[in-house]
Amino acid sequence: SQTIHQWPATLVQPVGSPLSLECTVEGTSNPNLYWYRQAAGRGLQLLFYSVGIGQISSEVPQNLSASRPQDRQFILSSKKLLLSDSGFYLCAWRGQGVTEQYFGPGTRLTVT
Amino acid sequence: GDSVTQMEGPVTLSEEAFLTINCTYTATGYPSLFWYVQYPGEGLQLLLKATKADDKGSNKGFEATYRKETTSFHLEKGSVQVSDSAVYFCALRPTGSARQLTFGSGTQLTVLP
Repeated sequence: SQTIHQWPATLVQPVGSPLSLECTVEGTSNPNLYWYRQAAGRGLQLLFYSVGIGQISSEVPQNLSASRPQDRQFILSSKKLLLSDSGFYLCAWRGQGVTEQYFGPGTRLTVT
Repeated sequence: GDSVTQMEGPVTLSEEAFLTINCTYTATGYPSLFWYVQYPGEGLQLLLKATKADDKGSNKGFEATYRKETTSFHLEKGSVQVSDSAVYFCALRPTGSARQLTFGSGTQLTVLP
């Protein structure tokens, strides 16, 4: 069966510090991968998606970036965090030929 | 563009009450429709889906029917439990899209014993 992992589960970082969040998927090949952000009490905002290794599409301009160095690995990064980057970051995957996305457990990021 | 509108919460019900959470959408063609549930501090879990008009998705006592004529996908459950307390998101995926789900803003449901 397929599983999706995210780490860390929680993170507290000062403003201006770098960020690296990791997401990995097991049990599938060539998935579509997604990064979402959920601000407190708000809906989900798609940040990036990837249809293959090295292929990243950005949905919202910001100080975040994403990379996909391996087929089942998706990384969200920032060189300098802003207070507004605080939120709940969710990674998701979708298999080929199916409609639904499956979400990881999320990372709670607090920028202080 | 595509959009999803959910009834605003929070919704508070007593255990064993009937639940309806309204969801309507705007999209071209025939999108796929989903309900996701998010328990506190967790990621989203797929609750049910429907991929074409008149399809009924069901899971764990929840049901939703894809109504093309009213562009709706309302979530229902006949008898809610305390354990159903969560945030519920309606979402759509446009036909042939590789990229994203479009989510509604979410509806907080609290079920009291």
